[in-house]
Amino acid sequence: GAVVSQHPSRVICKSGTSVKIECRSLDFQATTMFWYRQFPKKSLMLMATSNEGSKATYEQGVEKDKFLINHASLTLSTLTVTSAHPEDSSFYICSARVDRVDKNIQYFGAGTRLSVL
Amino acid sequence: QKEVEQNSGPLSVPEGAIASLNCTYSDRGSQSFFWYRQYSGKSPELIMSIYSNGDKEDGRFTAQLNKASQYVSLLIRDSQPSDSATYLCAVRGKRLQAQLWSRKNEAAGNKLTFGGGTRVLVKP
Repeated sequence: GAVVSQHPSRVICKSGTSVKIECRSLDFQATTMFWYRQFPKKSLMLMATSNEGSKATYEQGVEKDKFLINHASLTLSTLTVTSAHPEDSSFYICSARVDRVDKNIQYFGAGTRLSVL
Repeated sequence: QKEVEQNSGPLSVPEGAIASLNCTYSDRGSQSFFWYRQYSGKSPELIMSIYSNGDKEDGRFTAQLNKASQYVSLLIRDSQPSDSATYLCAVRGKRLQAQLWSRKNEAAGNKLTFGGGTRVLVKP
C-alpha cells in the first residue's frame, strides 16, 4: 500500500503552546488529506478535509481557528493546534487518499499522540 | 441511527477459529467499503477494500458485501493471537458529478465514515 508519513509521533507540551503536525504522502500525490482525532477507546472522529491549494473543510464543532490546516502541496498537509490546552490531548491521525478511476483508498499516518500539561 | 454501525464487542475467539465481524450502513448510495485493523495505540491499517456485491478473499481474510441488505462483513479464518485488535468498518458515499455539487458537498460525499469498531480477542 501507499506510505503516509506523520511527524512527530509524540508531543508533550505546556498549556498555551502551539503544536504543528506534518503529514506527507511519500510515494503518491494526494489531492485530499484528512485529519482525525481519536480519544481512548473511541472511534476516529474526522476533524477536517484538507484540499491542496484551497481552504480546508471543517466538520461541525471543530474550531477552524484552533486547528489550522495548510495543504500547501500535493504531498504535504500540516495541522497546527494553536494555544493547546489539556483538553486537546488526544491521538491525532492524518490520512491521504489515493485517487484512481474506480478506487479511492485512504492510507493513514502513524499518528501523533499529543499530551498537553 | 448511526451511519455505520458495528457491534463494539469484545468478540472473543479461540485460536484457529473463524472470527465473523458485521457492519451495517444507512446510506444506500454508498459505493466503497473498507475494513481497517487498529492495534491499541496505533493508527488504522487497511486490510480489505470491496466495491461490488459478493465475496472478496485475501489470505485469511474474506470481505462480503450485500448492498441490498446494506451490510458488509469480514471473516478472519484460522484466527491468531496477533489478530487481536479493533476492526473498523468504513464506508464511502456516492461521488456525484462535480458540476452539480458545491465543494463542501463533494467533500462530504467523498468522506469516509467509520463505524465504532469491533474489538476482537483471539485466545490461545
